[in-house]
Amino acid sequence: GQNIDQPTEMTATEGAIVQINCTYQTSGFNGLFWYQQHAGEAPTFLSYNVLDGLEEKGRFSSFLSRSKGYSYLLLKELQMKDSASYLCAPLDSNYQLIWGAGTKLIIKP
Amino acid sequence: GAVVSQHPSWVICKSGTSVKIECRSLDFQATTMFWYRQFPKQSLMLMATSNEGSKATYEQGVEKDKFLINHASLTLSTLTVTSAHPEDSSFYICSARDVAGGEYNEQFFGPGTRLTVL
Repeated sequence: GQNIDQPTEMTATEGAIVQINCTYQTSGFNGLFWYQQHAGEAPTFLSYNVLDGLEEKGRFSSFLSRSKGYSYLLLKELQMKDSASYLCAPLDSNYQLIWGAGTKLIIKP
Repeated sequence: GAVVSQHPSWVICKSGTSVKIECRSLDFQATTMFWYRQFPKQSLMLMATSNEGSKATYEQGVEKDKFLINHASLTLSTLTVTSAHPEDSSFYICSARDVAGGEYNEQFFGPGTRLTVL
């Protein structure tokens, strides 16, 4: 079957760094997306990885290891507005996004 | 660029009535649009994939006669919840994929429609 595993909730301090891990099992693989979703809003695109390695985009970086079925999202210099859910979503062989429940990130002053 | 709108943003209706939700890609053409439903504190659940000019593909367990999808143009897809019941109350989100593929072939999401059925 297809499965996404992320921590349900994480807490971090403003200005710090946090890493959100994701392991996945999919039927085929065509890359992995990270989305941010604030409460009551739709997801917004953060990053996409299809090759192994680290993709850096400002304060956010995403890492992928296809052989391990593992990805992480790294958030630096945390701001209060980063409080949101972070969704790891791999693309399966049919180019369909597989969604987990996401990780709720709480930022404290 | 890559903006997707949904209308209405929220709707309250009586049980047994039908509700239509529109999803538009404002600055790009989308051959494929996706309809999701999300219950509180749960993951996004894909309901159906809508392809312009053809019938939608529904996910297992989604009643096609209850959730009518029409994708009549490259910029508009509609979802009609027929004979709505309180258990249909949810956050409905559409997304669209650019015909041109986009930098990452990613889906762009609309802001969502919160449906409450009394």
